[in-house]
Amino acid sequence: QLQLQESGPGLMRPSETLSLTCSVSGGSISSDSHYWGWIRQPPGKGLEWIASIYYRGYTHYNLSLQSRVSISIDTSKNQFSLRLSSVTAADTAVFYCARQRVIGTGGWFDTWGQGILVTVSS
Amino acid sequence: EIVMTQSPATLSVSPGERATLSCRASQSISSNLAWYQQTPGQAPRLLIYGASTRATGIPARFSGSGSGTEFTLTIGSLQSEDFAVYYCQHYNNWPPWTFGQGTKVEIK
Repeated sequence: QLQLQESGPGLMRPSETLSLTCSVSGGSISSDSHYWGWIRQPPGKGLEWIASIYYRGYTHYNLSLQSRVSISIDTSKNQFSLRLSSVTAADTAVFYCARQRVIGTGGWFDTWGQGILVTVSS
Repeated sequence: EIVMTQSPATLSVSPGERATLSCRASQSISSNLAWYQQTPGQAPRLLIYGASTRATGIPARFSGSGSGTEFTLTIGSLQSEDFAVYYCQHYNNWPPWTFGQGTKVEIK
C-alpha cells in the first residue's frame, strides 16, 4: 500500500527558505504513470496546487509561486522535495505531498500524505 | 488559468437524504475533473476522476456527472461519515491544475 509522509520544520521565520521532503513507501517513485506533487491549504481555506515533478526530472509550477518555488526528486531515496523561499505569514498552511496520476497533460491526485502544518511567524 | 467555481458554499442535508453539489469551469475541460472529500484534520481523499469514475474503494452512493463546463457530484442517502468538505479539481491541459473553493456538507 502506497504511503506518503511529509517532513520538515513546523515553524519558520519570515524571509527564510522552507524545505519539505516527502518520503514514499510501498511503491516506487520511478513510475511512468505518475507525477509527484505538492499542494497547500491555508488554515480554514481551500487547496492550492504548488508544483509537480516526474521521476525523470520534468517539472511543473504554479506561476503564482514559480519565482519562489523549486521541486526536486531523489529516486535513490524514493523521496521528493519542495523549497519555498522568502516565506511570509501568507505562506502559513498545511502542506500536502501527493501522487498524481497523469493522463495526457494532467491528472488527479490519488494518494495523499497526512500533511504538515508550517507556520510562518516572527 | 481555468477557474473552478463550486456551489453552494454550504449545503445542509439530513442524514439519509440526497446531496447534489455543483462545480463549474471557466472554460471547457472535457471530462478532466476530479472530486475529493476532506474531513476535519484529514488529508483530501480522491472520490471521482474522469468526471464520473469512482476511485478504488469509494461507495456507490457517490456519483459524478457532467462534461465541458458543468459538473455534479451526487451523494445518495448521506451517511454520518459523508459530512465533510468537497472539492473539485480540473486537470485539463497544462497547469495550473486548480481546485474549486469547496462545498461544505453539514448536518441539517
